[in-house]
Amino acid sequence: DVKVTQSSRYLVKRTGEKVFLECVQDMDHENMFWYRQDPGLGLRLIYFSYDVKMKEKGDIPEGYSVSREKKERFSLILESASTNQTSMYLCASNLIRSPGPYEQYFGPGTRLTVT
Amino acid sequence: AQSVTQPDIHITVSEGASLELRCNYSYGATPYLFWYVQSPGQGLQLLLKYFSGDTLVQGIKGFEAEFKRSQSSFNLRKPSVHWSDAAEYFCAVGVLYNNNDMRFGAGTRLTVKP
Repeated sequence: DVKVTQSSRYLVKRTGEKVFLECVQDMDHENMFWYRQDPGLGLRLIYFSYDVKMKEKGDIPEGYSVSREKKERFSLILESASTNQTSMYLCASNLIRSPGPYEQYFGPGTRLTVT
Repeated sequence: AQSVTQPDIHITVSEGASLELRCNYSYGATPYLFWYVQSPGQGLQLLLKYFSGDTLVQGIKGFEAEFKRSQSSFNLRKPSVHWSDAAEYFCAVGVLYNNNDMRFGAGTRLTVKP
């Protein structure tokens, strides 16, 4: 079974703090993703990574950065948290195979509140 | 780019009743379609997927979905809903040869009445 874990289920931070969200997958997947989930908006892609040290912006990268130093680990960084970044953050991973696309496997999510 | 619309934000059904959740996609070529379920406080779990072949796809937990190219739809169905099916359901569309770009609908929240 694919397992995607996220470092925290709930997180409360103050405005201006630097926030780290970590994600680990155990199935040797090449791709890893960070999404933001908000009511009525579904999932929106923040960043994804297709290899170690490689990253691509998604639809809403502003205010976020990412880091992938090891294949199994993908971190989302909020450089200076703001209240409009209060949301549920979901990490996912999948294989790079042809023809694709392969389904994504999701972690349980981190509900971040910025006060 | 591909996109997905889930017209129903919230649906309520009685336990034991049948269920149909709607999903419409927009994409010029053959889409790759998925349904995910998110139970409260959980991540998304894949229910089923359609790549090609038989347009009626069976999934886990007794769900099925039918791909209708003429209607650009991929509706999810279950003949008899259980209280444990209460969750949020997401339809998603991907494209051939692209493992990175999956678009999700806004979701449909299902409430099950006793």
